[in-house]
Amino acid sequence: QQQVKQSPQSLIVQKGGISIINCAYENTAFDYFPWYQQFPGKGPALLIAIRPDVSEKKEGRFTISFNKSAKQFSLHIMDSQPGDSATYFCAASKTGANNLFFGTGTRLTVIP
Amino acid sequence: NAGVTQTPKFQVLKTGQSMTLQCAQDMNHNSMYWYRQDPGMGLRLIYYSASEGTTDKGEVPNGYNVSRLNKREFSLRLESAAPSQTSVYFCASSVWTANTGELFFGEGSRLTVL
Repeated sequence: QQQVKQSPQSLIVQKGGISIINCAYENTAFDYFPWYQQFPGKGPALLIAIRPDVSEKKEGRFTISFNKSAKQFSLHIMDSQPGDSATYFCAASKTGANNLFFGTGTRLTVIP
Repeated sequence: NAGVTQTPKFQVLKTGQSMTLQCAQDMNHNSMYWYRQDPGMGLRLIYYSASEGTTDKGEVPNGYNVSRLNKREFSLRLESAAPSQTSVYFCASSVWTANTGELFFGEGSRLTVL
C-alpha cells in the first residue's frame, strides 16, 4: 500500500514554464514533507521540505504548497530550466520515526 | 568528502546465487537505510537501522538480510537471488533533528538477476 501517492508519472515542460507535481497522503500522523531530486546515475538529494504549520515554503524557484485539510502537497518549479530535468520524489514522515515514505516519482523533462 | 559509499556499482547474478551489497558512511550518522528503486514504484524501504546494533524491517524485506557491522557500515545480503530482485539499490544515512531530517544517499548499486 503506497503511503504517499504522486502524480504525474512524467512531465514535459517548455523552458521558462511552470512545473507542478502533486502528492497526497492518508496518514494524518505525518508531519514532515520533503522533496528529493534525482539526476540520472545519482542518488536522490534533498531539495526542499515543509512542515504542516505553514501552507507554503519557497526557496529560489522552488515552492512547496501544503493543504493540510486535503492532505495534499505540491512542488512548483518556476521558470523551469533544462538543468531541472530530473526525477522528483515527494516523501512523508512523522516525528521520531526516523524513516521516510516516498512517492513513486515524477520524471521531469524541460525542453529548451 | 565521500559521504555514502556503496559497492559494487554493478552486479549480474544468476538465480539462486548470493551476494552482499556493502555500504559505508563517514558522516557519523546514527541511522542507515537500504532502499530499492524500480520503475513506477519509486523508492521502497527494505531495511533500516536506527542506531548501531538495531535493525528493522521496512516495506519490502522479504528475500533480504542486513547487518549493521558498526556505526559506519550497513550491508544488505541476498541469500538466494531471484529475478524479482533485479533493481537499483540505494544505501542512505540520515540526520534527524526535532523538526527536520535529511537522508544522504549513495550513488546506487545496479543489480541484475538472470
